[in-house]
Amino acid sequence: QSVLTQSPSASGTPGQRVTISCSGSSSNIGSNYVFWYQRLPGTAPKPLIYKNYQRPSGVPDRFSGSKSGTSASLAISGLRSEDEADYYCAAWDDSLSGWVFGGGTKLAVL
Amino acid sequence: QVHLQQWGAGLLKPSENLSLTCVVYGGSFSGHYWSWIRQPPGEGLEWIGEINHSGSTNYNPSLKSRVTMLEDTSKNQFSLNLTSVTAADTAMYYCAGIDGDSGIFNVWGQGTLVTVSS
Repeated sequence: QSVLTQSPSASGTPGQRVTISCSGSSSNIGSNYVFWYQRLPGTAPKPLIYKNYQRPSGVPDRFSGSKSGTSASLAISGLRSEDEADYYCAAWDDSLSGWVFGGGTKLAVL
Repeated sequence: QVHLQQWGAGLLKPSENLSLTCVVYGGSFSGHYWSWIRQPPGEGLEWIGEINHSGSTNYNPSLKSRVTMLEDTSKNQFSLNLTSVTAADTAMYYCAGIDGDSGIFNVWGQGTLVTVSS
């Protein structure tokens, strides 16, 4: 059971905008930054968003992050087939003194 | 550019100890906090623990009693030891590093599938 809660799946058609949500608590998302990772099949996770909304170099601006209270969202606009992947949110948890992750959302591009 | 290469035994019997090593290429060992993260089949990511360049460690409370992480700065590598494994420890294990500026796990090893089976 993951500490952060994500919907198991999401889907969209090419060109659409999809949103993936992540819910936590006051000890993690509520008081710390949120990070997002993309995991393509058979590969290690890739950093996508850091400190709630910032993108590492090389990540397209189609990807955006936001946070409100104890929840966060990842939005992908102009959906492409290569966006089909698993997406994970993460945050530091002050109660556990460690990193916690969401269970992942599998995005299908129909 | 920092690159991680990890290795270790992939098949263990219950009660054996898991041992994995990760070597850091192409960058400063002291510039990152180094972690181990695992993903059981069909489940989400689970942080196991971290070690910094000074050797200070921080472990997931759920695994703390069985985990030891060590570093060897002379070889730019760090290791994970998990004792008395069970089938519940079957997972893909990754080593990863956090960039001090962004706070994100910006570098990952290729992953090692560890299966615990009698």
